[in-house]
Amino acid sequence: KAGVTQTPRYLIKTRGQQVTLSCSPISGHRSVSWYQQTPGQGLQFLFEYFSETQRNKGNFPGRFSGRQFSNSRSEMNVSTLELGDSALYLCASSLAGRSGYTFGSGTRLTVV
Amino acid sequence: KNEVEQSPQNLTAQEGEFITINCSYSVGISALHWLQQHPGGGIVSLFMLSSGKKKHGRLIATINIQEKHSSLHITASHPRDSAVYICAVREGRNTGNQFYFGTGTSLTVIP
Repeated sequence: KAGVTQTPRYLIKTRGQQVTLSCSPISGHRSVSWYQQTPGQGLQFLFEYFSETQRNKGNFPGRFSGRQFSNSRSEMNVSTLELGDSALYLCASSLAGRSGYTFGSGTRLTVV
Repeated sequence: KNEVEQSPQNLTAQEGEFITINCSYSVGISALHWLQQHPGGGIVSLFMLSSGKKKHGRLIATINIQEKHSSLHITASHPRDSAVYICAVREGRNTGNQFYFGTGTSLTVIP
């Protein structure tokens, strides 16, 4: 069965712009969570969605937002990009958010 | 303050050696995860634990809830085990429900 698909794989944006990243979970998985990974801070939790509802949110500013659609696909949006937003953004899906997680390959965002 | 501490940060082993990576955490948890990340970024979830011990092939993960400590063991290590291993915990629902990650242990297995 298909894994977790993240698009795009690579993205270059200019400071001040906004960006939308997409995550398609494994079929049947209703929970999608998002993470940011940087060399300095490591992996950090952004948010988690289950059945279109945000269930949990990490300690990130309001510029970071997300949503989940009825087909469980999820998007995350970052507005007013800053240089420090350059990172690998990973999403993971699970059946119910408390079972094992399957990660996507990530979107590498570079802000210039 | 780091909610999750891993040790060692870096580890080099000869092929065939027994390897242990340790993880200590300070929050009440509902589950602990061990993740493997290869160069290039892809992350694989190895184990999810809430108690006891799990085994998958040459990998063994244990958790002691009272001591807030988990270990990941690799028996008969192989160069393909070279990767970064990350410990992650999920807080309990009543204590915040957040995910916290260790900084990772970079393992290199030499043939």
